Formats: sequence, structure tokens, C-alpha cells
Amino acid sequence: AQSVTQPDIHITVSEGASLELRCNYSYGATPYLFWYVQSPGQGLQLLLKYFSGDTLVQGIKGFEAEFKRSQSSFNLRKPSVHWSDAAEYFCAVGVDSSYKLIFGSGTRLLVRP
Amino acid sequence: DGGITQSPKYLFRKEGQNVTLSCEQNLNHDAMYWYRQDPGQGLRLIYYSQIVNDFQKGDIAEGYSVSREKKESFPLTVTSAQKNPTAFYLCASKNTGNTIYFGEGSWLTVV
Repeated sequence: AQSVTQPDIHITVSEGASLELRCNYSYGATPYLFWYVQSPGQGLQLLLKYFSGDTLVQGIKGFEAEFKRSQSSFNLRKPSVHWSDAAEYFCAVGVDSSYKLIFGSGTRLLVRP
Repeated sequence: DGGITQSPKYLFRKEGQNVTLSCEQNLNHDAMYWYRQDPGQGLRLIYYSQIVNDFQKGDIAEGYSVSREKKESFPLTVTSAQKNPTAFYLCASKNTGNTIYFGEGSWLTVV
């Protein structure tokens, strides 16, 4: 069965520090992978996506993610976190031609001043 | 502005009532989706539609119904058969590049 695991429920980093959010997926075929960010009570904003090609993808707001097939991972990174990055982050895999999304349970990012 | 509009933002339902959440998009997207989000959890798919007059059940369709009579609109009805409807509901649509965009969500509370 397809699934997405985000092992960290909460992560706290200091402003200016680097960030890595982990995501592991289980899917038999070539995955379509997404990272979304959600502020409290709001909808989801797409940060970046991977469909094929270069395994290092760049997104908005200075985020990037690397697809590693051998590890079934799609970790999100940012070199220097800003206070405005505090939010909940969701990794998702799109399955079959309908692109139904299967989401991880999310990682809440807290930023220390 | 182009986008996905969900209404109302907040809705209260009495026990035994049906309620309908609206989702309208002016992005000319063919595919639309409804997801449910519970506190501290990821999103789960309720229904999706890839084209007008066609829709499919997602993982948690019981107690919900949808229609897709127009390309722009994909309303979700939460019926009295849904035993635990209190949640945050998100509508989404997909462009031809297979990127999925979300609306701002609707909060439904049972009182």
C-alpha cells in the first residue's frame, strides 16, 4: 500500500540555522512527490514538486528537496530559516493518473528568535 | 484573481443535518478534489473528479456526496450519515502540468 512517513512531528530551529525535514514514501511505481506548507487555519501552498529528471529540485521561498530513490526519501531543506517559515509542512505522493495525493502526517516547524 | 474559492469559511451543523460546502475555481482545471484534515493529521481524500459529470470515491467517502455539473464547481455535501464530521475541509484542483492547488479551506463544526 502507498504511504508517506514524516518521522518528525515537531522540529525547532533557531532563526538563521539550516533545516532539513524528512519524508519517506512507499510506492511501487515512479513517484510524483510534493512538499506543501500550511499556516494555521489556512490552505496548503505548494513549495516544490518532483516528477522526473534532476533529483534536486528548487522551490519557492528558498526551499529545495532531493529525491533519493534508493532510500525512498524526498527530504526538504533550507540553508537559513526565517521566522516566517514557522508553519506545518506536508510531504505527499501522487498516485496513478488521477494524481490523488497521499499525505504524511506533517511536521510542525517552530523557529526560535 | 484566479484561484479556488471555498465557502463558507466556518460552518456549524446540528446533529442530523446535511450541509454543503462550496468549491469554485476559475483556473479552467479539469480535475478537482476534496480532502479532510483532522487536527494533527495529514489530509485524506474524500472524493475526486477528473471531468465534468464524473467523480470517484476516495479513501473516506462514507457519509459524503458530491456533484460535478459544471467544470468550475465541485460542491461537497456532508450528510447526517457522517458520524464525525467536525474537521477542516480542503478543496483542490489540478492543472495540465499535474500541479495541485488548494483552496483556503472550510471549518465544519457539529454543535
